[in-house]
Amino acid sequence: GAGVSQSPSNKVTEKGKDVELRCDPISGHTALYWYRQSLGQGLEFLIYFQGNSAPDKSGLPSDRFSAERTGGSVSTLTIQRTQQEDSAVYLCASSLMRDEQFFGPGTRLTVL
Amino acid sequence: AQTVTQSQPEMSVQEAETVTLSCTYDTSENNYYLFWYKQPPSRQMILVIRQEAYKQQNATENRFSVNFQKAAKSFSLKISDSQLGDTAMYFCAFMKLRGGADGLTFGKGTHLIIQP
Repeated sequence: GAGVSQSPSNKVTEKGKDVELRCDPISGHTALYWYRQSLGQGLEFLIYFQGNSAPDKSGLPSDRFSAERTGGSVSTLTIQRTQQEDSAVYLCASSLMRDEQFFGPGTRLTVL
Repeated sequence: AQTVTQSQPEMSVQEAETVTLSCTYDTSENNYYLFWYKQPPSRQMILVIRQEAYKQQNATENRFSVNFQKAAKSFSLKISDSQLGDTAMYFCAFMKLRGGADGLTFGKGTHLIIQP
């Protein structure tokens, strides 16, 4: 596709359930980023992939969060045992190099 | 670690006026990028303008221009001839030029409202 796509657009889940968020970057973009946007914390950087590897996972909020990227393309962000404080918009971005990032439309996660 | 500060939570101007959004940042890096992103209610983050710190000339993109003061660590955005479609959240962001495994550091944002 022409831009970064994310699915689902919205996700409502119950506390304690696992969720999986998907990001499909722009074709050929080697760098992929995940961010979280919430009212209280603003925009937070979560994790960065160069190709399939994530050199630093310390930005993930807790060990319930994990992310992977396969084939240098699609990435999934998994949140296990969701908590209400995980409610936020999760944004994905991709870039060709470490410069301009193109963002997807985000996934709004609501944990009841 | 870097920090980005936007001191204006909300601004409102009349259509066709000029408005300036302020941004300051703190970093020990010498080479970096600065960006202004726009986020309308649709949630889609859109790049408005970018500035490489090693360039002394201020970036411009049509009605959008920046005033980059590296020594003062200031990076303000000027919107000329504002339009209703400019209504959105505006985020100032910082990124190291190379090295590291971090992404953009964002400010808290400024909600800009263009009144008809």
